Amino acid sequence: AQTVTQSQPEMSVQEAETVTLSCTYDTSESDYYLFWYKQPPSRQMILVIRQEAYKQQNATENRFSVNFQKAAKSFSLKISDSQLGDAAMYFCAFLPSNTGKLIFGQGTTLQVKP
Amino acid sequence: NAGVTQTPKFQVLKTGQSMTLQCAQDMNHEYMSWYRQDPGMGLRLIHYSVGAGITDQGEVPNGYNVSRSTTEDFPLRLLSAAPSQTSVYFCASSSHRGRVGETQYFGPGTRLLVL
Repeated sequence: AQTVTQSQPEMSVQEAETVTLSCTYDTSESDYYLFWYKQPPSRQMILVIRQEAYKQQNATENRFSVNFQKAAKSFSLKISDSQLGDAAMYFCAFLPSNTGKLIFGQGTTLQVKP
Repeated sequence: NAGVTQTPKFQVLKTGQSMTLQCAQDMNHEYMSWYRQDPGMGLRLIHYSVGAGITDQGEVPNGYNVSRSTTEDFPLRLLSAAPSQTSVYFCASSSHRGRVGETQYFGPGTRLLVL
């Protein structure tokens, strides 16, 4: 069975600093997609970044970037120049290429200190 | 576009009652799904649909029914509510555009409390 693990239930970062959230996954698939979603207190699920497994280049979206290590099955999210609005729960998610079944990790709550 | 909409936002049920959580999308997406979110467990897939008339079970389907008569709507039915179904429910949709892997867009969620 495919699983996604986020080993950090809570993280804290100072405003303007950089923080990295960890995610590992377990699969025998070779073709898949990985996502990071942000869930602020409003509960809305917001896509942060998306990575396709067949692409070696790490995805970036403004201050957000990933470190995708396919062999290690690791997909960490780096947030640079952290802002107060980045405070939220972050979910790592795995999508096998042959289904639409998105599999989520347990989430990491990020606190941003002013 | 309104995106993915869900109603109601909040509902209180008594054990044994039935109800339907509504989900609609106006993006002409083929794929729609329902998740539940419980503390410390992330989101878990309940049921999903790859198109009108086609539905299938996810990870935690027991106690829930779905149907997909139109592309736009994907209601989730609780047949006989139980306290274990107290949760936040999210509907999501995506366009396959001929292949899976497209981003799933989520509705705002429905918070359900079963007493």
